[in-house]
Amino acid sequence: DGGITQSPKYLFRKEGQNVTLSCEQNLNHDAMYWYRQDPGQGLRLIYYSQIVNDFQKGDIAEGYSVSREKKESFPLTVTSAQKNPTAFYLCASSIGTGGRGYNEQFFGPGTRLTVL
Amino acid sequence: SQQGEEDPQALSIQEGENATMNCSYKTSINNLQWYRQNSGRGLVHLILIRSNEREKHSGRLRVTLDTSKKSSSLLITASRAADTASYFCATAPYNTDKLIFGTGTRLQVFP
Repeated sequence: DGGITQSPKYLFRKEGQNVTLSCEQNLNHDAMYWYRQDPGQGLRLIYYSQIVNDFQKGDIAEGYSVSREKKESFPLTVTSAQKNPTAFYLCASSIGTGGRGYNEQFFGPGTRLTVL
Repeated sequence: SQQGEEDPQALSIQEGENATMNCSYKTSINNLQWYRQNSGRGLVHLILIRSNEREKHSGRLRVTLDTSKKSSSLLITASRAADTASYFCATAPYNTDKLIFGTGTRLQVFP
């Protein structure tokens, strides 16, 4: 059963704590992405990775960190430096085409993070 | 920065009616994609139209692209209550694997 999974579905964090969101895919995709979605808004790109051991900042990377040690996994850490972390976080993957743009993305079900 | 802007922000129709959503963008693109999101869920890819295409169909979906006006439209024909969702356009700039998402149109289809 191929796809992209995120865990946990709901996550609560106290202010000042770091928290890591999991994203795993078994689609053999090279590229993976993290987005943040606020209520009634579109998606904003946090980080993306086009290949293992490499990643780039998106539009709103401050207060977040990622790693890409394995092709299947792209965890996102929300650090205490992120001032307003309460949001819906979506992970996605795509075949990755080296910049040629034929990049339909497959999304996970999302993680809703709430800071208490 | 968000490149796509969608219009209208919200749309309410009766089952059986057609729904049209529009998307405008700012820079040259390789392709434009439409996605659907049910409340509290991930996005699902609907259709991709390349910059050298003008129209594309998939089932009850019809997408048009006008690169001279930097705009696209998504038409859902004979809508159903199950079509209730948010719809997003996403543009793929040249030489990148990134997508730039619009703000979305919330569609409500009443039975």
